Amino acid sequence: RKEVEQDPGPFNVPEGATVAFNCTYSNSASQSFFWYRQDCRKEPKLLMSVYSSGNEDGRFTAQLNRASQYISLLIRDSKLSDSATYLCVVSSGAGNNRKLIWGLGTSLAVNP
Amino acid sequence: EADIYQTPRYLVIGTGKKITLECSQTMGHDKMYWYQQDPGMELHLIHYSYGVNSTEKGDLSSESTVSRIRTEHFPLTLESARPSHTSQYLCASSGISSGTGNYGYTFGSGTRLTVV
Repeated sequence: RKEVEQDPGPFNVPEGATVAFNCTYSNSASQSFFWYRQDCRKEPKLLMSVYSSGNEDGRFTAQLNRASQYISLLIRDSKLSDSATYLCVVSSGAGNNRKLIWGLGTSLAVNP
Repeated sequence: EADIYQTPRYLVIGTGKKITLECSQTMGHDKMYWYQQDPGMELHLIHYSYGVNSTEKGDLSSESTVSRIRTEHFPLTLESARPSHTSQYLCASSGISSGTGNYGYTFGSGTRLTVV
């Protein structure tokens, strides 16, 4: 079993739709969680960090469920420009032992 | 504006050539990484460094080598390129952002390597 698992999709949704992605992680000692966005043939870029209390940034909402060991990303009012791969990233350890584990990514296509 | 720079952006070379992919960052980050990613596939960590004179192999075995003589510079070298090395190579660095105080992880734009 992979340490970080995501549904690869693709998710095909119409413009304006609400779409949610989940990501599960296996290391209960994981401390930090992030969602990255990667456009085709580009580098990953940080979309948002995920805080224990949940956090929102415009149309994007991220939540963490430590008991069930998953994080989620909700996108409201999808835009064509949201089409990308969304990578779940989980961090554990500290200092030189800090390690980032990347999910495979979930592909989203927003259609007109 | 990017604080981590990779050159070249694209490279097409013949089999057997020696190549060096450059990566430099201006954020003063101690930790730097090289990832390999094929189109539509996951990121694979091939090398990382926790500081000057520190280099470690990543999760994916790679025939490339790296060096870290200066904090800001983390070049990757292939002594003899082969078609199997064709891929995208992404450099990244991580550390505390002087602006936000938050831990950040930033990627360069990548080098797309094709070995013919």
